[in-house]
Formats: sequence, structure tokens, C-alpha cells
Amino acid sequence: DQQVKQNSPSLSVQEGRISILNCDYTNSMFDYFLWYKKYPAEGPTFLISISSIKDKNEDGRFTVFLNKSAKHLSLHIVPSQPGDSAVYFCAATSGGSYIPTFGRGTSLIVHP
Amino acid sequence: DGGITQSPKYLFRKEGQNVTLSCEQNLNHDAMYWYRQDPGQGLRLIYYSQIVNDFQKGDIAEGYSVSREKKESFPLTVTSAQKNPTAFYLCASSISISGANVLTFGAGSRLTVL
Repeated sequence: DQQVKQNSPSLSVQEGRISILNCDYTNSMFDYFLWYKKYPAEGPTFLISISSIKDKNEDGRFTVFLNKSAKHLSLHIVPSQPGDSAVYFCAATSGGSYIPTFGRGTSLIVHP
Repeated sequence: DGGITQSPKYLFRKEGQNVTLSCEQNLNHDAMYWYRQDPGQGLRLIYYSQIVNDFQKGDIAEGYSVSREKKESFPLTVTSAQKNPTAFYLCASSISISGANVLTFGAGSRLTVL
């Protein structure tokens, strides 16, 4: 039973446009949500996080939006660059358990 | 530079052999983890450890074993009991940042069973 779902395995976007990666969750106890970026044959790297008490967090070109009522979060990348091409994992943790639950990832391709 | 070192990066094994993947960190993190990545499966937790000499099974621990004798080291042994060991293995450690548990990952080890 997947508690964190990334329903789009892949996404293709043109350079300069906005990339929107989506993530849904089922566990209402999750209190932190994180996004990681992963290049092939490398380990994931932390990108951005958001607490459940917020609905938006921004860091440069990356913004994460959280809709608690819909149990949905999204990562916006504006403007998208070819170097953003990678697999993006959504992860969540719940109070009292620091072990993150990961989604299956979305492969983003930004083409020139 | 602080970080996590995994070795070897590539490893080939014959069926029936045990292999051990090394993971060393110099970040002074207390918690360490092992994940397995398969295509379309995301990251699945094998084992984790909060402190030295203590570790817990994750979602897919069968066929694997770990030890945590030192804070810096968390080796993973893939035993012959693991039915489908060919995968990309990731080690991680963590420190809490503003309440979020942010993991730092190593570069991974790719194990192929021949």
C-alpha cells in the first residue's frame, strides 16, 4: 500500500517553461514533505522541504506547494533548465517516525 | 569534505555468494540507512540504524544483514538468501534540519548477480 504516490513516471518540458511534478499521499499524520533529485548512477540529493503547517516554500527556481485538504503537493521549477533533467522523488515523514517514505519517482526531461 | 562513501561502485557476484557493501560517513550523523532502488520501484528501505549497536529492519530486510559497530560505518551484506539481489543500493545518513529529517546519500553501489 503506497502512502506516497507519484502517478506520473515521466514528464517532458521545454527549456524555459515551468515543470510541475505532483505527489499525493494518504497518511494524514505526515508532517514534513521533502523533494530529492537524482541523476543516473548517483545518490539522490535533497532539494527542498515543506512543513505541514505551511502551504508554500520557495527556494530560487524551486517552489513546493502543499494542499493538506487534498493530500497533495507539487514541485514547481521555473524556468526549467536542461540540467534539471533527473528523477525527482517525493518523500514524507510523520511525527515520531523519522523514517521517510518515498514515492516511486518522476523522471523529468527538459529539452532545449 | 564531509560525506558518505560507498564501495565498491560496481560489483558482480555469482549466485550463492554473499557480498558486503561498504558505507562510511564522516558527517557525525547518528542515523544511517540502506535503500534499494529498482526501476519503477522507487527507494525501498532495507535496514536502518539510529545508534551504534542497534539497527531495525525496513520494508524489505529478508536476505540482507547489517552491523553498526561504529558510528561512521554501516555495512550491508547481501546473502545468498536474497532472491533477486541485482539492484542499485544506496546508503544514507541523516540529521534533523528544522524538523525535517533530511537524508544525505552516498553515490550508490550497483550489484549484478551473474
